[in-house]
Amino acid sequence: GENVEQHPSTLSVQEGDSAVIKCTYSDSASNYFPWYKQELGKRPQLIIDIRSNVGEKKDQRIAVTLNKTAKHFSLHITETQPEDSAVYFCAASPSYKLSFGAGTTVTVRA
Amino acid sequence: KAGVTQTPRYLIKTRGQQVTLSCSPISGHRSVSWYQQTPGQGLQFLFEYFSETQRNKGNFPGRFSGRQFSNSRSEMNVSTLELGDSALYLCASSQKASSYEQYFGPGTRLTVT
Repeated sequence: GENVEQHPSTLSVQEGDSAVIKCTYSDSASNYFPWYKQELGKRPQLIIDIRSNVGEKKDQRIAVTLNKTAKHFSLHITETQPEDSAVYFCAASPSYKLSFGAGTTVTVRA
Repeated sequence: KAGVTQTPRYLIKTRGQQVTLSCSPISGHRSVSWYQQTPGQGLQFLFEYFSETQRNKGNFPGRFSGRQFSNSRSEMNVSTLELGDSALYLCASSQKASSYEQYFGPGTRLTVT
């Protein structure tokens, strides 16, 4: 089955700096790669996703890149703000199942 | 549109009991997936239902089962509860399959004592 590894497990950044989270996947059939943000005590929320026919996607301060050859994808958050503090999960899906990374706890220091 | 809803939000059960959790997807969504979230194991896939059929199943024992009704609402049942079943159980709905955008419900927090 699909195995998704996510790094780092914790990330502390100064407000205004950038944050980068990296994930690797094992199943070359995976074609959908979403990212979720989960604030404390709340449900995971889809923040951005990318499909295997696209190399990069951007939405305001967040962007995701995908390297199919190397089987890795990354989340980039620019100009971080205190409200970006949360746990971020990457995931990969070959078909009917999402496999999640272990999560990255991002703390934005004011 | 209303979001994904789950009931109950909190449950306390004792070992050996069984429990049934409910999930109502976003209107028009036909796929419902269930996940177990724990601090140590993260988000683990349980199963996915589409049009009342289970399409995929994760690596959980047979004590975990589910079903989906014709209105796309889904239930998950856990029998013979164990302490290790204490977790947040999340469901997510999608229009077609889990390879499309999935939207999560608030979860049911299950505590087994």
